[in-house]
This record gives sequence, C-alpha cells and structure tokens, in this order.
Amino acid sequence: ETGVTQTPRHLVMGMTNKKSLKCEQHLGHNAMYWYKQSAKKPLELMFVYSLEERVENNSVPSRFSPECPNSSHLFLHLHTLQPEDSALYLCASSQEAGTGSPLHFGNGTRLTVT
Amino acid sequence: AQSVTQLGSHVSVSEGALVLLRCNYSSSVPPYLFWYVQYPNQGLQLLLKYTSAATLVKGINGFEAEFKKSETSFHLTKPSAHMSDAAEYFCAVSGWSAGNNRKLIWGLGTSLAVNP
Repeated sequence: ETGVTQTPRHLVMGMTNKKSLKCEQHLGHNAMYWYKQSAKKPLELMFVYSLEERVENNSVPSRFSPECPNSSHLFLHLHTLQPEDSALYLCASSQEAGTGSPLHFGNGTRLTVT
Repeated sequence: AQSVTQLGSHVSVSEGALVLLRCNYSSSVPPYLFWYVQYPNQGLQLLLKYTSAATLVKGINGFEAEFKKSETSFHLTKPSAHMSDAAEYFCAVSGWSAGNNRKLIWGLGTSLAVNP
C-alpha cells in the first residue's frame, strides 16, 4: 500500500464515547500532522509530530489526544467530544516538518458527534 | 501575520473554457506558496508549489500558477477546463507559528464547477 491511509472513513459517536482515529503513512516521511476541516473555515492545524516527537500543539482541547508510536503511525484519541467537533479530520505527512515540504494527505475521517 | 485570500468561494466554467482561481497573500513575501486540490470524499493533493526558482510554476493536470510579487498574487489557471477538474481548490502560503516553526496558512478554498 502506498500513500497515507486513514481509518475509519466515517465515525459516529456519542458525546460520552471514546474512540480513536488511525493514520498510517507508507512514504518514509519524518513528519505527520492532524488537521481539522470544517465548512467555511480554513484548515486548522491541530498537531505536528517530527520523528515521533510532538513539535506543535495549536491550543487543541484536551478531549483530543494524539499519539505517535513511530514515524509511520499516528493516532488521535477522542473522548467526551462536543457536537461542534463534528468535522473531517485529515492526517498528512511530509518529508520534514516546517521546511515547506509538500503535504501528502489521507482521505480523512468524517466524524459526527451526536 | 501571514494571511491568504481566495476571491470567490464558488467558480463555475463551461467545459473547455479558461479556469482562473484567484489567490492573494499578505504583504511579506512568503518563501513557499502552494495550490492543493480536493476531490469529493478525498484528502487534499498537491497541484503545484512555488519556491522562487521561477515565477511561472507548472503543476499536474495542466494547471499552472504565476507568482506576481507586485500584486501579492498567486492565481491558478488552466487553459481548458475538463469535467474532471470539478473539485475544491486551496491556496496556501508558508508562515511562522508561535513556536517559530514554519507552518502553512490556508485560504478558505474555491469550489470549481465545470458545466458540460
């Protein structure tokens, strides 16, 4: 498999549930990202990992918890979410973080919080 | 702080017509500018990237963009639209985050419709 793979593609969860989003990249990149895409808003960078170390956390609520066990895998753990957290969550990777390297995106997880 | 403005949230063209999607950035010259495309139910895909080597940048699928410093613009064009070009297009420029790391500043996107 090539590129960036995200699972699941769709997720519906209640406000009290705990779930996780998974991302895997097969490109040999050193940086991985979580973005949130909502209608009528610019893409929001949530977290950046470089060589498994978190290098950026853009004031994201603690109900979102990232995990990067190795340079190929990235998780986003979700708990006690709010309806306004419903969005498309995109994972991306790049050769290096913060150097202008193009981003390679997965197809996203469409999250609906009920 | 860097900002990106995409003029026109929706653009509609006829098949075979010129495609012009506009992007303007704030005054300080960013080192990198990008155009990404997002097809329905997919993630974003890089169309092209400006890195100061040449002001006219050619990308995939027949798209190109011209960097104009005097106009602070990086408009995307394609001479002849194809039905398969219908998608959302995003302009992005590199900026600086609070942690002094380079990060992308995104426009709101332009939805391109191509009519038969």
